[in-house]
Order: sequence, then C-alpha cells, then structure tokens
Amino acid sequence: EDQVTQSPEALRLQEGESSSLNCSYTVSGLRGLFWYRQDPGKGPEFLFTLYSAGEEKEKERLKATLTKKESFLHITAPKPEDSATYLCAVQVQGAQKLVFGQGTRLTINP
Amino acid sequence: NAGVTQTPKFQVLKTGQSMTLQCAQDMNHNSMYWYRQDPGMGLRLIYYSASEGTTDKGEVPNGYNVSRLNKREFSLRLESAAPSQTSVYFCASTLHSATNEKLFFGSGTQLSVL
Repeated sequence: EDQVTQSPEALRLQEGESSSLNCSYTVSGLRGLFWYRQDPGKGPEFLFTLYSAGEEKEKERLKATLTKKESFLHITAPKPEDSATYLCAVQVQGAQKLVFGQGTRLTINP
Repeated sequence: NAGVTQTPKFQVLKTGQSMTLQCAQDMNHNSMYWYRQDPGMGLRLIYYSASEGTTDKGEVPNGYNVSRLNKREFSLRLESAAPSQTSVYFCASTLHSATNEKLFFGSGTQLSVL
C-alpha cells in the first residue's frame, strides 16, 4: 500500500532558527513528490514538485530535497510568516491522484 | 482571478439530511477532485474526475456521490449525512491528472453533522 509519513507532527522554532521537516514515502513507483503550504482556514498552496532522487528546489527560505525514500523541506532563518502546516504528497506511477501525508504544523516565534 | 471557488464555506446539518457542495474553477482545467481533511489524517481523496464526463472513486467514497456538470463544475453530494462526515472538504483542480501538474485548491467547506 502506498504510504506517506511526515515528521514531526508539530515543530516550534525561534525566528532565525533553521530546521528541517521530513517526508518519508513507500510507493510502488514515484512519479512526483509535491510540497504544499496550508494556512489556517485556507486550502493548500503549491510550493514545489520533485521528480527524481538528488533533485533540489528552492524558494526564498525554503529548500526541498529528494532521495529514494524521503524528502526534506529545509527552512533557513525562518520568520513568523513562515508559520503554517506543510503537506507532502506523492503521485504514484500509473495513478491519477496524489497520496498526502498528515502534515507538519510549523510555528515560528518572534 | 478566482481560481477554485467552493460554496458554502460553512454548513451545519442534522443526521440524515442531504446537501450538495459546489465547486467551480475558471482555469480551464480538465481534472477535478474532492478531498476531506480530518485532524491527524491528512487529505483523503473522496472522488475525482480526470476529465469532463468521467468520475472515479478515491480512498473514501462511501456516503458520497459526485457530478461533473461541465468542464468548470464538480459537485459533491451527501445523500444522508452522518456524524462521521463532519470534516473540512476541499475541491481541487489541475490541468491534466495524468501528468505531474500541481493542484489548485479552493478555500474549503467546514461541515458539521449533528
């Protein structure tokens, strides 16, 4: 069964304190791995797509990386506005839908 | 630039009542989806429509029906609501489900079934 697990469930950081969020996956064949950001009361918003092991993508203070078994979302010198829930999802080969992890709730204290 | 629009934003139902959640997108996307989001369980796919005229079951289809009314609109119907259907519902769309296209989400419908 295709499975996506995110850790930790919740993470509190001080402003400027860098860290990483983890997304581990077990799928029959990976077509793509997606990261989304979700603010309270809103729908998820797309951040990155990664397609193959070794690939990296960056956007402002966020960098996403991919290996054959997991993806990391690195956040460098975060600011309070980076507080949100970060969702990871995978698209499996031959499937037309995404499988989501349960998310990591990130809080950045000023 | 509306994107994906869902109505209503909030709804309270009594057990056994029926209702339809509406979703429309203005991006000329082919594929549309209905997800539910529950605490600690992530987003789970209820139904999807890869293209106009087709619909398929997702992970948790029981108790729901869908209609792809046209290319723009995809509705979700609860025929006889149950407390287990209390959740936040999201509609999403993408250009083509078969390719690695990102999903665009609506802002959600918070549904409580008493």
